[in-house]
Amino acid sequence: AQSVTQLGSHVSVSEGALVLLRCNYSSSVPPYLFWYVQYPNQGLQLLLKYTTGATLVKGINGFEAEFKKSETSFHLTKPSAHMSDAAEYFCAVTRMDSSYKLIFGSGTRLLVRP
Amino acid sequence: EPEVTQTPSHQVTQMGQEVILRCVPISNHLYFYWYRQILGQKVEFLVSFYNNEISEKSEIFDDQFSVERPDGSNFTLKIRSTKLEDSAMYFCASSEYRGEGEKLFFGSGTQLSVL
Repeated sequence: AQSVTQLGSHVSVSEGALVLLRCNYSSSVPPYLFWYVQYPNQGLQLLLKYTTGATLVKGINGFEAEFKKSETSFHLTKPSAHMSDAAEYFCAVTRMDSSYKLIFGSGTRLLVRP
Repeated sequence: EPEVTQTPSHQVTQMGQEVILRCVPISNHLYFYWYRQILGQKVEFLVSFYNNEISEKSEIFDDQFSVERPDGSNFTLKIRSTKLEDSAMYFCASSEYRGEGEKLFFGSGTQLSVL
């Protein structure tokens, strides 16, 4: 079975500070990993994904994540937070043979202070 | 960028009533999905649909739920007799391919409140 744990339901950073959102996964098969963002009153938007190959994945809006198999982690980072980054972020895992069936984490709400 | 649209954005209904949630997937997409998120809980997979039939469904998707693609553009989720516990945000999604890490496009959701 697969599962995702996101540490911290709320993360607050100052504008310009490093953003670090944590995601750990559990999977008995090589996982596909995703980060989605949900802005208020909008749908889930794909930020980035890891399937195979390079373990450091770059996404939209300056975000990136690194797949660390030894740590079963896929943490999301951004060097400098913008006010517009305030949103809810969801980590998700799936498997190659059913990659439409995402298993989501519980989400982390990012607050950016001026 | 193309988008998945869902209507209505909010739906309030009485327990026991039937509701239909509507979605218009992206026009060239062939795979359709419903997910839901109960307040404070995780987003959960409900069902996938391809070639006019259900490909896979979760244990949540019981006989009270059904999906349909009534025409070439709409994709609907029907709940026959709503329960209080059906209150949730329902997300429709679509994808062009069902392969390696395909990109799902999600709609903005329909907030269903069952009273």
